[in-house]
Amino acid sequence: DTGVSQDPRHKITKRGQNVTFRCDPISEHNRLYWYRQTLGQGPEFLTYFQNEAQLEKSRLLSDRFSAERPKGSFSTLEIQRTEQGDSAMYLCASSDTLEGGSPLHFGNGTRLTVT
Amino acid sequence: RKEVEQDPGPFNVPEGATVAFNCTYSNSASQSFFWYRQDCRKEPKLLMSVYSSGNEDGRFTAQLNRASQYISLLIRDSKLSDSATYLCVVNGLGDMRFGAGTRLTVKP
Repeated sequence: DTGVSQDPRHKITKRGQNVTFRCDPISEHNRLYWYRQTLGQGPEFLTYFQNEAQLEKSRLLSDRFSAERPKGSFSTLEIQRTEQGDSAMYLCASSDTLEGGSPLHFGNGTRLTVT
Repeated sequence: RKEVEQDPGPFNVPEGATVAFNCTYSNSASQSFFWYRQDCRKEPKLLMSVYSSGNEDGRFTAQLNRASQYISLLIRDSKLSDSATYLCVVNGLGDMRFGAGTRLTVKP
C-alpha cells in the first residue's frame, strides 16, 4: 500500500492557462474525492467518484473545472482558464466502501498558485 | 446554512487541560462521522471515527447525538503535540463534507 499520491506537488501558472492534476488512489479503493482548501478553511468538497462514475459535483464548482476517472483507477482534475481565485491546495482522497465507516485517506495535495 | 459547522476557535489551552470541540450538521440522513487532525501545510489525517454509542481512543473521546445532529470531540490531558486544526467530517450519501476546522494551541 503506497497510499494516495498526487502529482505535481506544486504548480505555478499564469492566469488564463489550463492546468491538470493527477491523483492515484489506494489501489483497492473504489471511491475517489477531490477537495480544494484555502488558508484557514476546511477542505471544500468538489466532486467524487465511485469507480469510474462521477456521482456528485459541487454546485459551487464552475464549468471551468472538470474531473475524470476513466478506468476507475487514477483521476485527473482540470482547471481551464485559471483565475487568481483558483489558487489553493487541491486535495485528493480515496476510500473503500467496504471499510468500516469508509474514512478518507488523503494524498499530500497539489498546491496551485495562479499569478 | 453550511452543511457542517464547527466551533470557530481558536482554542489556546495550557498543557494538561481538557478541551472539547463541537460540530453540527444539517443533513439528518448523514451516515458516518469522523474527526480529522490537520497540521500546518499538511494533509488531513484521520483521528477517529465517531460511533453512535460514543467511542474512546486513549485521551480522545468522540460522541454523536443524532437527535440534535451534532458530534463532539473531547481531548483530556492535552499535550503540546495536540496543537493542530481539528476537522469534523460528515458523510451524507457518499459525499464527505468538512467543517471549517478549529485550531487548537496547547501551551506549556
